[in-house]
Amino acid sequence: DVVMTQSPLSLPVTLGQAASISCRSSQTLVYSDRKIYLNWFQQRPGQSPRRLIYTVSNRDSGVPDRFSGSGSGTDFTLKISRVEAEDVGVYYCMQGTHWPWTFGQGTKVEIK
Amino acid sequence: QVQLHESGPGLVKPSETLSLTCTVSGVSITSYYWSWIRQPPGKGLESIGYISYNGDTNSNPSLKSRVTISLDASKNQFSLRLNSVTAADTALYYCARTARVPEYWGQGVLVTVSS
Repeated sequence: DVVMTQSPLSLPVTLGQAASISCRSSQTLVYSDRKIYLNWFQQRPGQSPRRLIYTVSNRDSGVPDRFSGSGSGTDFTLKISRVEAEDVGVYYCMQGTHWPWTFGQGTKVEIK
Repeated sequence: QVQLHESGPGLVKPSETLSLTCTVSGVSITSYYWSWIRQPPGKGLESIGYISYNGDTNSNPSLKSRVTISLDASKNQFSLRLNSVTAADTALYYCARTARVPEYWGQGVLVTVSS
């Protein structure tokens, strides 16, 4: 299985400051259609995961533009430009290129 | 607006079969792929399997042959059966609409395996 490794696992941030989460895959995530199925999910406390970003850098409908995704090869990043209180939760990267789909361990974002 | 709702017993005995149903509203189940994902308490996420709109399925090799996923278009539902369960199968089980990867998720149902 493809191993997805996130860092950091805990991320205390100040409101209004930027935050960045890294995700590394153990294999390339380029699919046969040349797309990279790297996604980011947000899981707020007590809620189900919500997809924020698909194919590395595309925001899902309704996702604030303070969230952005980037990366290539095996290294990917989720950035929050200005953290708001509603951003508290656990963030997961997930690869959908190889079956079984696999998730990172999760990064817990909290307010300092 | 698509909505998914998982239902099924919250308690299953060891060695028995876990059975869950996902009821979909707002979209025809014959238009997408559908998947099951689980999350043990306090832990991360694990893909279980998926089914296509025409009934083709795939399941996580880690679960070997214990998984069956089926679809009932007449009820706009799809289902998960996991047999020979153990305590390690205790988890929050989610169903999700899937377009190459899970997009919209249900709220999840907690299933505990215990005698």
